Amino acid sequence: SQTIHQWPATLVQPVGSPLSLECTVEGTSNPNLYWYRQAAGRGLQLLFYSVGIGQISSEVPQNLSASRPQDRQFILSSKKLLLSDSGFYLCACPSSEGPHYGAEAFFGQGTRLTVV
Amino acid sequence: TQLLEQSPQFLSIQEGENLTVYCNSSSVFSSLQWYRQEPGEGPVLLVTVVTGGEVKKLKRLTFQFGDARKDSSLHITAAQPGDTGLYLCAGRTNTGNQFYFGTGTSLTVIP
Repeated sequence: SQTIHQWPATLVQPVGSPLSLECTVEGTSNPNLYWYRQAAGRGLQLLFYSVGIGQISSEVPQNLSASRPQDRQFILSSKKLLLSDSGFYLCACPSSEGPHYGAEAFFGQGTRLTVV
Repeated sequence: TQLLEQSPQFLSIQEGENLTVYCNSSSVFSSLQWYRQEPGEGPVLLVTVVTGGEVKKLKRLTFQFGDARKDSSLHITAAQPGDTGLYLCAGRTNTGNQFYFGTGTSLTVIP
């Protein structure tokens, strides 16, 4: 089964600084990949998804961007962070095996970003 | 656009009580999943339902998919403190590549 690695686990950044969060996937090839942001105790807001290298779809206009330089690598970036960018960021991909192939989402451990 | 609404948003109950969480939508989903999330961690899959009217049981948890595949419920019997967490429903439609997540239900079980 696939494994999703995210780093760093926590990050404190000043307003106006750049951001780079990395997500890598093992155990599957050519997966769809997703970046979500979550406010405390709430549901997940889809930010970006990618169906392949170099292919990015943006769901929410904002100062964040995403890139997929390799098949199993998905990067979330910002040139200048805002206070409102604080949150819990999660990378996900669909299941690659089992009776519900593709129907279930598997997540990384997340990155807690605090912009100060 | 938030396609899946969960209720209640917050729930605090005593150990041993029963509870039901609802996940409702006006859209039809080809499958629907329930996840539980601990603080500081990613959501973990509990169950997937795919057939209208389907009922699945996972120990003290009972999941039901609505007949029209637009809604679902999660029932917990004799809740325990270990059930505390954020419960999320999510669905996939027959078109598109997205997972649509519910608004979340934060459950606290008091010993």
